[in-house]
Amino acid sequence: KQEVTQIPAALSVPEGENLVLNCSFTDSAIYNLQWFRQDPGKGLTSLLLIQSSQREQTSGRLNASLDKSSGRSTLYIAASQPGDSATYLCAVLNTDKLIFGTGTRLQVFP
Amino acid sequence: DAGVIQSPRHEVTEMGQEVTLRCKPISGHNSLFWYRQTMMRGLELLIYFNNNVPIDDSGMPEDRFSAKMPNASFSTLKIQPSEPRDSAVYFCASGLAGPQFFGPGTRLTVL
Repeated sequence: KQEVTQIPAALSVPEGENLVLNCSFTDSAIYNLQWFRQDPGKGLTSLLLIQSSQREQTSGRLNASLDKSSGRSTLYIAASQPGDSATYLCAVLNTDKLIFGTGTRLQVFP
Repeated sequence: DAGVIQSPRHEVTEMGQEVTLRCKPISGHNSLFWYRQTMMRGLELLIYFNNNVPIDDSGMPEDRFSAKMPNASFSTLKIQPSEPRDSAVYFCASGLAGPQFFGPGTRLTVL
């Protein structure tokens, strides 16, 4: 059974720092991995999707990497801003189901 | 495109009542997913449809839960009878062989 873990569970950093969020999964037979952002009381916003054949994806200040063999993905946020404060979720696509991690709650303070 | 639309956004009901949640996926998407999010269990897939056909409902917790997708632009998730432990945020998502796009969710409270 696929299990997805995210570390740390919570993170508080000052504005301007570069930071890394970690995601690990137990079954490397995935089709893709997706990173989402969830603001309090809101739905999920897709940030990046990495296909199983890819190593990384970039969008603006965000860079996500995937190492399928070791069951790991990282989300790198450059020059963090208070507006980045949210919960970040990773999810892996196994066959046809998305399995979600428990999330990292990020707070960026001015 | 308005994105995935869910209604109602908030629902408060009493134990034993029937609850119906509604979802309109993004036009052109052929997959639709219903999720439940709680503090204890995180995000869980309840059921998903492909081309309006239910593919996997193994995540549906009990027979009290049922879902339908009568056409490509509408789906419902029904709970009958509702119980306090059903209180959660229910998300609908849609996709087309790629990323899933989530609606804003319905926050359900069962008293």
